[in-house]
Amino acid sequence: GESVGLHLPTLSVQEGDNSIINCAYSNSASDYFIWYKQESGKGPQFIIDIRSNMDKRQGQRVTVLLNKTVKHLSLQIAATQPGDSAVYFCAENKAGRRALTFGSGTRLQVQP
Amino acid sequence: GAVVSQHPSRVICKSGTSVKIECRSLDFQATTMFWYRQFPKQSLMLMATSNEGSKATYEQGVEKDKFLINHASLTLSTLTVTSAHPEDSSFYICSALKGTGYEKLFFGSGTQLSVL
Repeated sequence: GESVGLHLPTLSVQEGDNSIINCAYSNSASDYFIWYKQESGKGPQFIIDIRSNMDKRQGQRVTVLLNKTVKHLSLQIAATQPGDSAVYFCAENKAGRRALTFGSGTRLQVQP
Repeated sequence: GAVVSQHPSRVICKSGTSVKIECRSLDFQATTMFWYRQFPKQSLMLMATSNEGSKATYEQGVEKDKFLINHASLTLSTLTVTSAHPEDSSFYICSALKGTGYEKLFFGSGTQLSVL
């Protein structure tokens, strides 16, 4: 069936390094993608989004890359900080649906 | 940014009782709210879409008589877990849509339900 999934369940990086979190999606009709950050016991927090007519979008310390050919999405975090430690989810919006579908999540652990 | 308040943050109840969870958009009106369920170390699973003034739209496999949703106003949606059982124990999260774009989708802090 249609799904959005992540390659790595846990990613451990050193403080100051760059982090790359990956996500694969299977629905070629998806036209909008969002990355969320979820800290323990809290709801998801919007990080950055990208539409299917774009390949790259940059925010503050974060970059999202979209490869529609292989249906792959990535989140790059520059100069990772301890405060970046959380679970990161990608989410997609399927054309015609009014709700998001979330991927399985990657836990990012930043070592001081 | 917009604020979505979810209450209570944590609730423990006995099996067979009902629990109501409130989701409020504090500084904006939301015609659409979403209810998600999240098990430990898992992703968010959409339960239902709550529309102000109309019946909620439930996802396949979600019992509408078990999980009652009422979107009574543009700032309040409630989820009632009726006759709760231990398998209903989970983290429930609401979100409210400010406008039409998902960049304006704001989440509550979640409710941890534990059914004994």
